[in-house]
Amino acid sequence: GDSVTQMEGPVTLSEEAFLTINCTYTATGYPSLFWYVQYPGEGLQLLLKATKADDKGSNKGFEATYRKETTSFHLEKGSVQVSDSAVYFCALIFSSGSARQLTFGSGTQLTVLP
Amino acid sequence: DTGVSQDPRHKITKRGQNVTFRCDPISEHNRLYWYRQTLGQGPEFLTYFQNEAQLEKSRLLSDRFSAERPKGSFSTLEIQRTEQGDSAMYLCASSSGGLQGGNTQYFGPGTRLTVL
Repeated sequence: GDSVTQMEGPVTLSEEAFLTINCTYTATGYPSLFWYVQYPGEGLQLLLKATKADDKGSNKGFEATYRKETTSFHLEKGSVQVSDSAVYFCALIFSSGSARQLTFGSGTQLTVLP
Repeated sequence: DTGVSQDPRHKITKRGQNVTFRCDPISEHNRLYWYRQTLGQGPEFLTYFQNEAQLEKSRLLSDRFSAERPKGSFSTLEIQRTEQGDSAMYLCASSSGGLQGGNTQYFGPGTRLTVL
């Protein structure tokens, strides 16, 4: 079945460091890919998305590129801030067919120290 | 634009009791989803509605769980005879189902259930 694998955390960085969180997926077909962020005690917020190969999603300084050849959607940010501390989830969904649910990775906890 | 809302935010109950959660989706969204999230894990799909029709149910949704969306607007998720293993965050999401970005789901804040 479809699955998403994220790099294991927790990840701890100093402020202004470069961030990469790896995400790879296994799916039959070409899903849409998402990154969601969850702050402590809150629900998930959509961070960015990409719907087809080579698309780049970006938001709030975060970027991720849909790489079909490596089935990856790695999240990057050039300079993290303390306020970026949260759990980050990679997810996929198919826009056609009967399946409508998001399939999530297990999440990566990010802590940014001042 | 009012986001997805859920009520209550927290619920503590004793084993064997019934609980009901409510979700109000974004008003123009015709698709509504329930997920369950346990500590340290990503959300897992439970069920999905398009308007008032429940179109998909996960095998995680045992017969103690029932979800409704009677008028295609808000939805309720009921758990009967709660067990300690039901303790989790229950998340609701909605999407428009349109061709442009229709598969983007927007999540509510969740209801955290603790079964004692």
